[in-house]
Amino acid sequence: AQTVTQSQPEMSVQEAETVTLSCTYDTSESNYYLFWYKQPPSRQMILVIRQEAYKQQNATENRFSVNFQKAAKSFSLKISDSQLGDTAMYFCAFMKQTRNQFYFGTGTSLTVIP
Amino acid sequence: GAGVSQSPRYKVAKRGQDVALRCDPISGHVSLFWYQQALGQGPEFLTYFQNEAQLDKSGLPSDRFFAERPEGSVSTLKIQRTQQEDSAVYLCASSLTIGVTEAFFGQGTRLTVV
Repeated sequence: AQTVTQSQPEMSVQEAETVTLSCTYDTSESNYYLFWYKQPPSRQMILVIRQEAYKQQNATENRFSVNFQKAAKSFSLKISDSQLGDTAMYFCAFMKQTRNQFYFGTGTSLTVIP
Repeated sequence: GAGVSQSPRYKVAKRGQDVALRCDPISGHVSLFWYQQALGQGPEFLTYFQNEAQLDKSGLPSDRFFAERPEGSVSTLKIQRTQQEDSAVYLCASSLTIGVTEAFFGQGTRLTVV
């Protein structure tokens, strides 16, 4: 079974500062994908960043980057230069290579303070 | 359409009532998923379609839940004899083809059973 754990229910950060959201996962799979999704109050899940487990290089998307530690099964999200629009729930998610099904964590509510 | 569309956005049902939730995926998307998101939790997988074929329904919580996608496009999630524990946001997602990891989510239907 796959499990995804987000141990920070709530976090806050000052505008323009940097924040890191934590995620750990458990799986026996060797090939898989990891994701961070953002869910604003509109409820629509929006893809923030994606990482293939076979790639050692950490994914980056503009202000968003990940620290992927495969041996430790850790996948943290760093948001640089935080903006008010970053305020949302953030979900870490896992997907097996063979199936198109997400396993989500319980989420971290991020508030960016002006 | 431009994105995944779900209707209604909100539904209040009396306990015991049957409900039907609709999902219009992105045109041409082969894969379609339903997730259930309880308050304060991450989405949990319900069922998966590839075109009109329901390939995985392992996440459906009881036989009161039924999903269909008869023509391989629009999907309906039906819940019979609703119970209070069915109260949740129901999210639909679609992706272009099998094995493609990028899924596009709708804004969900918030079901409240009173």
